[in-house]
Amino acid sequence: DIQLTQSPSFLSASIGDRVTLTCRASQAISNYLLWFQQKPGKAPKLLIFGATTLQSGVPSRFGGSASGTEFTLTITSLQPEDFATYYCQQIKTYPLTFGGGTKVDIK
Amino acid sequence: EVHLVESGGGLVKPGGSLRLSCAASGISVGAAYINWVRQAPGKGLEWVGRIEDKADGGTSNYATPVKGRFTISRDDASNTVYLTLSSLTTDDTAMYYCSAGYWSSDWGPGTQVTVSS
Repeated sequence: DIQLTQSPSFLSASIGDRVTLTCRASQAISNYLLWFQQKPGKAPKLLIFGATTLQSGVPSRFGGSASGTEFTLTITSLQPEDFATYYCQQIKTYPLTFGGGTKVDIK
Repeated sequence: EVHLVESGGGLVKPGGSLRLSCAASGISVGAAYINWVRQAPGKGLEWVGRIEDKADGGTSNYATPVKGRFTISRDDASNTVYLTLSSLTTDDTAMYYCSAGYWSSDWGPGTQVTVSS
């Protein structure tokens, strides 16, 4: 199975900060990488597909990048509604797998 | 607009079975990838399985912990996808979500499954 390792597991940040979340795959997955945001008690929300493409309706402060097996989600200016847990998922190979998540909390 | 609603969750004893439903509107389940994802209390997301759209073969694939115990099926007439859970253990206790699309762009609110004696 392809393992996805997200770092950090927990991130404390302030409004307006630029934050970068990382997801490393245990093997090559090309650009078959999704990013989701989840708030407590809610279903996940798709932010990024194809590693770098912003889902319709998602604010442009969110961005995705890829380099080999390392993927990043960047939020350029953290807003109050961005405090949540973020997950990456690979859809290259079955079984599909999620990373362990990064919780972004208020400093 | 795509709308998904899960149902069928509840309390079940270890070893028991349950069938969850994912009712869809705004899409045809036969022409969509439908995923099932679960989340145990206080834990992260875990992919459970997926049924592909008919144009791509319509096959189902499963996560290792559920293979042989869970089955995904669909009913085009009711536009519903089902997840049948069997030989349940306490480790299967979780919120179960369905999502639609190759990129899982649309999600339902989830249905809670609790396995306990």
